[in-house]
Amino acid sequence: AQSVTQLDSQVPVFEEAPVELRCNYSSSVSVYLFWYVQYPNQGLQLLLKYLSGSTLVKGINGFEAEFNKSQTSFHLRKPSVHISDTAEYFCAVRSYSSASKIIFGSGTRLSIRP
Amino acid sequence: GAVVSQHPSRVICKSGTSVKIECRSLDFQATTMFWYRQFPKQSLMLMATSNEGSKATYEQGVEKDKFLINHASLTLSTLTVTSAHPEDSSFYICSAQTGTGGEYEQFFGPGTRLTVL
Repeated sequence: AQSVTQLDSQVPVFEEAPVELRCNYSSSVSVYLFWYVQYPNQGLQLLLKYLSGSTLVKGINGFEAEFNKSQTSFHLRKPSVHISDTAEYFCAVRSYSSASKIIFGSGTRLSIRP
Repeated sequence: GAVVSQHPSRVICKSGTSVKIECRSLDFQATTMFWYRQFPKQSLMLMATSNEGSKATYEQGVEKDKFLINHASLTLSTLTVTSAHPEDSSFYICSAQTGTGGEYEQFFGPGTRLTVL
């Protein structure tokens, strides 16, 4: 079984400041890792994913995340945020099995202050 | 890219009525679709996994007789909330899975907001 922990339920930052959203996971098997963004009253959009290879993954909208196997973490970062980045961010994992479910974290609400 | 649509985007119904929500993969075939439920300010909770041509697999605690899922084709899955009650009010999101060779990816629909009066 897998689980995902997003320790920060809310992260307020000023516009143009850097941000890091934390994600830790637990799994007895190898997993794929994902970050999704959800804007108000909308579905989920994939920001980035880690499947294999380089541990630093670059995604859309200037976001990146680094997979750290020893710390079982997959923190999301952006060097300079914009008002438009205000949204809910979900970290998620899925095992290699094609029939497996995506397990979502509880989400982190990123609010950008002008 | 892969697009998943849901219809309707919003629905308001009276208690006791049934509501059908459609999930379509517009430009790809999806052998597997998933249905999620999201309460305000909470994460997505998987309700069921739907495979084309077979019965859906429901998560523990989800009433299969209340949430009827049909996956009649490779591009369409439907979720019917039967005899809806106010506690069924929620945001329902579907996703469609595609991929081969072990690299599968889920694409999410825009969600359907159900309000039961």
